[in-house]
Amino acid sequence: AAGVIQSPRHLIKEKRETATLKCYPIPRHDTVYWYQQGPGQDPQFLISFYEKMQSDKGSIPDRFSAQQFSDYHSELNMSSLELGDSALYFCASSRTSAEQYFGPGTRLTVT
Amino acid sequence: AQTVTQSQPEMSVQEAETVTLSCTYDTSESDYYLFWYKQPPSRQMILVIRQEAYKQQNATENRFSVNFQKAAKSFSLKISDSQLGDAAMYFCAYRSAWETSGSRLTFGEGTQLTVNP
Repeated sequence: AAGVIQSPRHLIKEKRETATLKCYPIPRHDTVYWYQQGPGQDPQFLISFYEKMQSDKGSIPDRFSAQQFSDYHSELNMSSLELGDSALYFCASSRTSAEQYFGPGTRLTVT
Repeated sequence: AQTVTQSQPEMSVQEAETVTLSCTYDTSESDYYLFWYKQPPSRQMILVIRQEAYKQQNATENRFSVNFQKAAKSFSLKISDSQLGDAAMYFCAYRSAWETSGSRLTFGEGTQLTVNP
């Protein structure tokens, strides 16, 4: 079965640089979620989109923005990167149901 | 706001034995979903089991079953016949049922399970 695809899998950036993370949901899934997991922590919800509209917003910094495109893929844009942004970023998708299926994550390291 | 608490940072079990992981949550809502996710060393988040709050019957998926006590706001995971591949971090998660789409998952702090051969 097809799974959620995230790219890149690993990303190294310097402070104050910009990063773009991409997420391709499971086919026919209409909702995309972004989570951030710091070292030794549980995943924290950032933002979600349903049918290309923002549907829920969590503790996402103003330096971050995201959108969902017409083909349902989503991108998380992160600017003015800080050391504290180093984390594992997960994308998850669902189709009008409770279960959220997670991608493999993008490991972002800010140096 | 909803909160999820896992009071056992670490647990261990012998291979083939049974282990129970605890989870409590706090909510004012009457309809919601509860989940257990597994995160092995690969860091992939894998859905283990789901429970709807309106269902009294406890969910079961092969060797995994839950004990859902709605009044006590408790949601424990029982793993039977533990296998080496069960070793992972286990997260309990809550999701409101009030919105059909877009609702966030709220996770507990996680329980690191070690399976001893």
